[in-house]
Amino acid sequence: GENVEQHPSTLSVQEGDSAVIKCTYSDSASNYFPWYKQELGKRPQLIIDIRSNVGEKKDQRIAVTLNKTAKHFSLHITETQPEDSAVYFCAARNSGYSTLTFGKGTMLLVSP
Amino acid sequence: KAGVTQTPRYLIKTRGQQVTLSCSPISGHRSVSWYQQTPGQGLQFLFEYFSETQRNKGNFPGRFSGRQFSNSRSEMNVSTLELGDSALYLCASSLASGSGELFFGEGSRLTVL
Repeated sequence: GENVEQHPSTLSVQEGDSAVIKCTYSDSASNYFPWYKQELGKRPQLIIDIRSNVGEKKDQRIAVTLNKTAKHFSLHITETQPEDSAVYFCAARNSGYSTLTFGKGTMLLVSP
Repeated sequence: KAGVTQTPRYLIKTRGQQVTLSCSPISGHRSVSWYQQTPGQGLQFLFEYFSETQRNKGNFPGRFSGRQFSNSRSEMNVSTLELGDSALYLCASSLASGSGELFFGEGSRLTVL
């Protein structure tokens, strides 16, 4: 089955800095890669996703890049703000298998 | 449109007991997935139901089971509870199996003493 590795497990940045979270996946047939944000005590919510037919996608201050050859994808957050502090999860899904496999999460702390 | 609703939100059980958790998906969503969330382990997949049929099952012992009803509501059951079953159990719904965004509920936090 699919295996998703996520790094780092914790990331501390100053407000205004950029943050990068990286994930690798094992199944070359995976074609859908979402990122979820979970604030303390809240439910995980989708913030951005990318499919295997594109290499990059942006939405305001967040972007995701995908390298299918290397089987890794990354989340980039620019101009971080304290409200970006949360746990971020990457995930992957194989087109022939409906389940999303999640990484173990990255706790991002943005200090004012 | 109401979001995914999970009940109960919090519960405390003792070892050996069993527990049933309920999940009501977003109206119109037919796929329901269950995940176990523990510190350091992230979100581990339990099972997925679509149109009352279990589509996929994660690597959990047979003590963990689930079902889905004709109105797409789902329940999961854990029998013979162990201390290690203490976790946040998250339910997520989507329009169809293997399609698009998962919408999560707030979760049911189970503590086993």
